[in-house]
Amino acid sequence: SYVLTQAPSVSVAPGKTATITCGGNNIGSKSVHWYQQRPGQAPVLVIYYNGDRPSGIPERFSGSNSGNTATLVISRVEAADEAVYYCQVWNGNNDLPFGGGTKLTVL
Amino acid sequence: QVQLLQSGVEVKKPGASVKVSCKASGYTFTSFGINWVRQAPGQGLEWMGWISAYNRNTNYAQKFQGRVTMTTVTSTSTAYMELRNLTSDDTAMYYCARGGVAVSVHLDYWGPGTLVTVSS
Repeated sequence: SYVLTQAPSVSVAPGKTATITCGGNNIGSKSVHWYQQRPGQAPVLVIYYNGDRPSGIPERFSGSNSGNTATLVISRVEAADEAVYYCQVWNGNNDLPFGGGTKLTVL
Repeated sequence: QVQLLQSGVEVKKPGASVKVSCKASGYTFTSFGINWVRQAPGQGLEWMGWISAYNRNTNYAQKFQGRVTMTTVTSTSTAYMELRNLTSDDTAMYYCARGGVAVSVHLDYWGPGTLVTVSS
């Protein structure tokens, strides 16, 4: 099955920019979706189709995808952004993997 | 507004089956699909499968094939996920999430989750 690799943790000071990556073989050829999961809550979609934002998601959230890496960028980070972020793709053949998740800590 | 309401906590013994429900509201049920995703305690997200609410086509993750069945009831806008032959490894929070008419579409709304505990 297709493996998505994420760093376990990222730390950033309030007001700075957080960059969360998702690695996969030729992931640039796939559509990547990103989810935010705060403690004790269900996941929330924050980016779909590499860079589109659902309604209600701040413009501070953006995404890109190229080569072997997809990237979620959170600008002007706030305390409320502290959460685990998961990437996800559709790989066909009954395979819809998630990355292992990156815990974003706001210092 | 789109809402997915899931059934309550389940406690099962090893070898038993569990059936979790997911009642949708706020949109045309048959225009979308429903995915099931689980999360073991302290672990990441694991996709289990998808069902089209339009034609009831299913797509199950290979890991669960033969052990899971996903169904829908259009008249009540409800999706169900049944998992059989439970072991302690199946202890997890089970989420339903709205997807598209194709299995490849993103999961845009999630239910609150149903906690399933498997213990003797």
